[in-house]
Amino acid sequence: AQKITQTQPGMFVQEKEAVTLDCTYDTSDQSYGLFWYKQPSSGEMIFLIYQGSYDEQNATEGRYSLNFQKARKSANLVISASQLGDSAMYFCAMRENSGTYKYIFGTGTRLKVLA
Amino acid sequence: GAGVSQTPSNKVTEKGKYVELRCDPISGHTALYWYRQSLGQGPEFLIYFQGTGAADDSGLPNDRFFAVRPEGSVSTLKIQRTERGDSAVYLCASSLNIAGGSDTQYFGPGTRLTVL
Repeated sequence: AQKITQTQPGMFVQEKEAVTLDCTYDTSDQSYGLFWYKQPSSGEMIFLIYQGSYDEQNATEGRYSLNFQKARKSANLVISASQLGDSAMYFCAMRENSGTYKYIFGTGTRLKVLA
Repeated sequence: GAGVSQTPSNKVTEKGKYVELRCDPISGHTALYWYRQSLGQGPEFLIYFQGTGAADDSGLPNDRFFAVRPEGSVSTLKIQRTERGDSAVYLCASSLNIAGGSDTQYFGPGTRLTVL
């Protein structure tokens, strides 16, 4: 069965430093997608980055990159040059591309950027 | 263009009452998802639609929950005989093409439901 695990309930990072948010997943499918979302205190879920299971290169989007290690089933989010506005909840999600297309989310990591 | 919209933004009801939550997806998005998010948790999948049909409703917790999308656009999540445990934020998301590998969901602001 699909499962997403985020083991860091909370993280702190100094402004301008880089931070890694951990995500591991479990699936028996060969084809799947991995996603990261940001949820500020306002509540709206904001899409950050996507990685396909067949993508050979790690995805990057501006200051966000996804450290994809398929054999270890991990998809960690790296935020470079942290900004105060990065303080939020971050969710990792997975969607299998066969059978049901539903998305499964992890429990999230609360990131606090310190000035 | 307009994003996903949800109404109402807040709903307070009494135990046992019936509620309807509305989602207006991004124009042209064929896939629509409903999630429930309790405090401190990630979104929990409820149901998704591809067009007018419910492609997967395995996340609906019981038969008090029902959702429709009669014309393949706006969707309504209906909850009968509400219970205090139904209190949560209900999120709606839509996407352009569910079969696409990089298909990305875009979320609405959510409806905060409080059952007294």
